[in-house]
Parts: sequence; C-alpha cells; structure tokens
Amino acid sequence: QSALTQPASVSGSPGQSITISCTGTSSDVGGYNYVSWYQQHPGKAPKLMIYEVSNRPSGVSNRFSGSKSGNTASLTISGLQAEDEADYYCSSYTSSSPVVFGGGTKLTVL
Amino acid sequence: QVQLQESGPGLVKPSQTLSLTCTVSGGSISSGSYYWSWIRQPAGKGLEWIGRIYTSGSTNYNPSLKSRVTISVDTSKNQFSLKLSSVTAADTAVYYCAREDLWYHAFDIWGQGTMVTVSS
Repeated sequence: QSALTQPASVSGSPGQSITISCTGTSSDVGGYNYVSWYQQHPGKAPKLMIYEVSNRPSGVSNRFSGSKSGNTASLTISGLQAEDEADYYCSSYTSSSPVVFGGGTKLTVL
Repeated sequence: QVQLQESGPGLVKPSQTLSLTCTVSGGSISSGSYYWSWIRQPAGKGLEWIGRIYTSGSTNYNPSLKSRVTISVDTSKNQFSLKLSSVTAADTAVYYCAREDLWYHAFDIWGQGTMVTVSS
C-alpha cells in the first residue's frame, strides 16, 4: 500500500504554531477515524502524541492537537518549543492492510 | 508499566532469515485489548509496518512483505517473534516491536528498537 503523504519538512519559531498535514485516500484517512501521530527524536523510539484523529494520551501536552477533513489529517503544535524539534509521523487504519504510515515530517524550531 | 524489549542478532547474512524476539514485561501479552506489532525504520527513512499478531495467534502482514514474514507468539514466555526470510541489504533497519491498542488502532508502547544489518 502507498504511504500517506506528509511534507518533508516544516519550521517555526518558538511560540508560533505549525501544522503538519497527512494526506491519504478514502480507503484510509478519509474512511476511518483511526489517525494517529507520533513524535520521534533522533535515536529514540516513536512516541504516541495523538490517536483517533484528535485524542491526546495522558501526559501529552495540550499544545498538540489533531484534526481531519476529508482525506487529510493535520497535527497542530501551538506555542512551539525547542523540545518539539523532532520527526513526526502520521498513521492510519486502512481497508487493505491494517496500518499505513506517512513518510514523516522533520520539524525545525528556528 | 508495560515495557517492550527487542532482542536478536544484529548482523544477518544475505539470503538468510532474520529472527527477532520482543519480550513484554509489566503486563500480560495475553491481554485481549492489544495487537503486538513489528515496525522497522531504515536509516534516515520513515516507519514501515511489518505485521502484527493477536494473542489468539491471528496475524496480519504488510502485503509488500507478506511472502517473507512470519510473526508468532509464545504466551508462556510473554514474548512474540518476527522471522523475515531471504533478507537483502534493503532489510537493514532498526526494528521496533510495539503494542497497538485494539480499539484505537494506535501504537501506544514501543520497544527501544534494535539495529539489524544485512551484510556478508
């Protein structure tokens, strides 16, 4: 199955807000509310930040929020902090293979 | 809390079979609320889902790898395992085991990852 489409990189200054998009099809992102987002710092395992499009696990800052419109899901980080600099991956349940990931987005905090 | 730990050879020869085990601690792998998955990440690249197993032994695999992948579970040892046959250099990656919530379809707990290099 094809990976979900994410921008290769995004950047923002401390305190600003950024949004990362994740585009799929009606067979994955558009068809199910099972979109998740993961944060990965260099050399570390991914960490779940958002599940079911917009839900935050316990312990995740409320500066992280998720949404979906049609076949595109989005992760928004508000009040950007230096520690937010990382790679971010989306994933979705799919009708063909249970799971598909996005290609990843590198967030740079300027 | 639940923790996952991957183990296995860090070097595998081309055409051979890659074998990894994930040990679950702090909880039972027999919990009916989770799938147990393998995910890999080549250096500098994105995540690729390999496959998953339920406590019953039921499996799902990535169609692109299905012909070479076998995932099994040993509930007595609280472990699940990955076998990937006929490996090539393209299979060189960090391999993660992860727990997927059955209802949310999200990977909420990950192992630290183990690097596997395919080389003669």
